[in-house]
Amino acid sequence: QSVLTQPPSVSAAPGQKVTISCSGSSSNIGNNYVSWYQQFPGTAPKLLIYDNNKRPSGIPDRFSGSKSGTSATLGITGLQTGDEADYYCGTWDTSLSAGVFGGGTTLTVL
Amino acid sequence: QVQLVESGGGVVQPGRSLRLSCAASGFSFSTYGMHWVRQAPGKGLEWVAVISYDGRNQYYVESVKGRFTISRDNSKNTLYLQMNSLSADDTAVYYCAKEVTDYDFWTGYRNWGQGTLVTVSS
Repeated sequence: QSVLTQPPSVSAAPGQKVTISCSGSSSNIGNNYVSWYQQFPGTAPKLLIYDNNKRPSGIPDRFSGSKSGTSATLGITGLQTGDEADYYCGTWDTSLSAGVFGGGTTLTVL
Repeated sequence: QVQLVESGGGVVQPGRSLRLSCAASGFSFSTYGMHWVRQAPGKGLEWVAVISYDGRNQYYVESVKGRFTISRDNSKNTLYLQMNSLSADDTAVYYCAKEVTDYDFWTGYRNWGQGTLVTVSS
């Protein structure tokens, strides 16, 4: 059971927009930065968003992040079949003194 | 460019030990905090441990406290994970990951290694 809660799966058509939620508490999301990761099968995760809403160089602006209270959201616009992957949110939990992840969300582009 | 290369994984019997290494290059290793993150087969990501840039502070996930030790040698640009008293629950791909921001603490995992598989089985 993950500290952060994500939907197991989301889906949308090519070209559409999808959002992935990540719910936590005041000890993690509520008081720490959130980051988001994309992972394709058999490969290492890749950073998409850090500090809630910043994109590393090389990440297209189709990917966006936001945070409100104890929840965070990853948005992906202009969906492509190549976006089909698992997506994870992550942050630091001050009470646990530990890094925490969501359980992951599988994106299907129909 | 940043490179992180893990090594040391393999098959080990329950109760035995293993030491993982992560060789870093392409950045100023001594100024970044470093993490170990693992992923059991078919499962999600699980954070394991972090060490500050200067090695003075370490934190662990509850399930490995007292069994795993994270350390670093800044003169060799290498991160380590000493794993003792291994059990089947520790079977996973282990990734090392670099912080986003130097001298800071938990800013996210900017770069990842390719991972090394640890299988605990008799």
